[in-house]
Amino acid sequence: AQKITQTQPGMFVQEKEAVTLDCTYDTSDPSYGLFWYKQPSSGEMIFLIYQGSYDQQNATEGRYSLNFQKARKSANLVISASQLGDSAMYFCAMRHYNQGGKLIFGQGTELSVKP
Amino acid sequence: ETGVTQTPRHLVMGMTNKKSLKCEQHLGHNAMYWYKQSAKKPLELMFVYSLEERVENNSVPSRFSPECPNSSHLFLHLHTLQPEDSALYLCASSPETGSPLHFGNGTRLTVT
Repeated sequence: AQKITQTQPGMFVQEKEAVTLDCTYDTSDPSYGLFWYKQPSSGEMIFLIYQGSYDQQNATEGRYSLNFQKARKSANLVISASQLGDSAMYFCAMRHYNQGGKLIFGQGTELSVKP
Repeated sequence: ETGVTQTPRHLVMGMTNKKSLKCEQHLGHNAMYWYKQSAKKPLELMFVYSLEERVENNSVPSRFSPECPNSSHLFLHLHTLQPEDSALYLCASSPETGSPLHFGNGTRLTVT
């Protein structure tokens, strides 16, 4: 079965500190992509970072990095130097290349950044 | 400006009403999607269109009817909805079905 699991319903982090949001996935298909999206209270889903299953290096985008551990089937998002504007829901998602654009989402983690 | 625009932002409708949600993308993408986001549940894919042709229909009730007249516009026609259909409906697009999705702000639908 294809499934994404985010075990942290809510997280708190102090401003300027780093935080890790957990994501594990389940698939038997070797070809897939992993995504992280941010959803502020406005509702928009903002694409943050992508990791392909065959990528040798962990993806990085500015303050976002993805800790990809393929053998453990985990794709944790690391946000460095947290900012107040990082407070939002964060969703991990997976797509299989042979299934077109179908994204499977996790339940999400609500991140709150404290000043 | 996200490049993907959804209207209306909020919609309240009775169970006997007929309404339509609109999505427009200005990114030159070929694929468009409808997702449903209910409280406390993961996003659920409803429909996928690629080059104006429906390529996926995820067992969605017939009271939801999508329409893709061209690669820039996507509609979701609603009729005789149920209160449990109240949710945030998100439209997304991508250059092709294998690329990251760009989402709109969503339409918050309340069925009374």
